[in-house]
Amino acid sequence: DQQVKQNSPSLSVQEGRISILNCDYTNSMFDYFLWYKKYPAEGPTFLISISSIKDKNEDGRFTVFLNKSAKHLSLHIVPSQPGDSAVYFCAASEAAGNKLTFGGGTRVLVKP
Amino acid sequence: NAGVTQTPKFRILKIGQSMTLQCTQDMNHNYMYWYRQDPGMGLKLIYYSVGAGITDKGEVPNGYNVSRSTTEDFPLRLELAAPSQTSVYFCASRLAGGGNSPLHFGNGTRLTVT
Repeated sequence: DQQVKQNSPSLSVQEGRISILNCDYTNSMFDYFLWYKKYPAEGPTFLISISSIKDKNEDGRFTVFLNKSAKHLSLHIVPSQPGDSAVYFCAASEAAGNKLTFGGGTRVLVKP
Repeated sequence: NAGVTQTPKFRILKIGQSMTLQCTQDMNHNYMYWYRQDPGMGLKLIYYSVGAGITDKGEVPNGYNVSRSTTEDFPLRLELAAPSQTSVYFCASRLAGGGNSPLHFGNGTRLTVT
């Protein structure tokens, strides 16, 4: 039972355009959502997060949107840059939880 | 500040051999985690620890053991290596539990069992 799903395994976008990554979850107890970015041969690094009391959080070119009723979140990258080419993981946690549950990842390729 | 350090970076094991994957962090984090990432897949939690002397199972603990004798170190032990344990293993730590405390990851150990 996959509690966090990223249904698009890959995404290709032109430099300067918007990248939209999607994530769905099933556990209604999830209270906090995070996005991680991973380059080859490196560990994932934290990118941006959002609490369930918000529907949007922005940090520079990265914005995360949360739709609690649909159990859906998305990450927008505007404008996309070649250095954004990486695998992006969505993760979720319960409010007082000890564990993070990860989705399967979306590989993003930004073409110059 | 080194963060989370994992050794070795690469290892090839024969079926039935054993090994310990080392993980150490210098951020004084209480919480530590072991994840595995299979090709094309997400991260699955093997074991985690909320402090020295306390460990708990994650989603895929079978075939592994852990210990947490100090705050800094969280080694992962494979006793009888099997081909199904071929994966990339990531150790991570964070200061506290709850959602708003991001994980800090090491760069991984790539393990092949043949």
